[in-house]
Amino acid sequence: EPEVTQTPSHQVTQMGQEVILRCVPISNHLYFYWYRQILGQKVEFLVSFYNNEISEKSEIFDDQFSVERPDGSNFTLKIRSTKLEDSAMYFCASSPVGRTEAFFGQGTRLTVV
Amino acid sequence: AQTVTQSQPEMSVQEAETVTLSCTYDTSENNYYLFWYKQPPSRQMILVIRQEAYKQQNATENRFSVNFQKAAKSFSLKISDSQLGDTAMYFCAFMKPKTGNQFYFGTGTSLTVIP
Repeated sequence: EPEVTQTPSHQVTQMGQEVILRCVPISNHLYFYWYRQILGQKVEFLVSFYNNEISEKSEIFDDQFSVERPDGSNFTLKIRSTKLEDSAMYFCASSPVGRTEAFFGQGTRLTVV
Repeated sequence: AQTVTQSQPEMSVQEAETVTLSCTYDTSENNYYLFWYKQPPSRQMILVIRQEAYKQQNATENRFSVNFQKAAKSFSLKISDSQLGDTAMYFCAFMKPKTGNQFYFGTGTSLTVIP
């Protein structure tokens, strides 16, 4: 069964460094999302992406964040200058057109030290 | 703004018994979707069950069923004949369909099935 895959599973980075989280959505899906979950808190929406542009973003998704679909398969989240409070589990998800549920990846745990 | 509340951080149930997980939400929308997602340890979230707000009939998927009370903005999940593989974090989620399809999640309920 097709799955959303995320790499790496765990990333440790120093504060102030740039980090790129990678996702391969399910191949025939056209909506892509990033969510994050700070330890012990709820899963929060960051951004949705459709037709090669951001369709919606939350207040969390400030100028430090960007997303890109560099080729036909990858969907990346870049954090330009990481802060300690960016430490969280980041989930990528995708949805096909006409379906309401999202399919989630296994997450990347980002630890900023 | 939409909010989703899960008031039970942890629950446990004996194998083969029935358990109900609670979820309430707040919205001014009339057309929306509600979901229960399951996240086993170190695994991705997978969809358990989905409910369209315009449907009065409660959704069921095998051992999983919901009690959807639209006026009360309540959406509880009932798991019948609990199995060890049901041990997981369960997230209730709300989605308002539009371009973007943003999900709003609750804080989750950690369910342990005891053999």
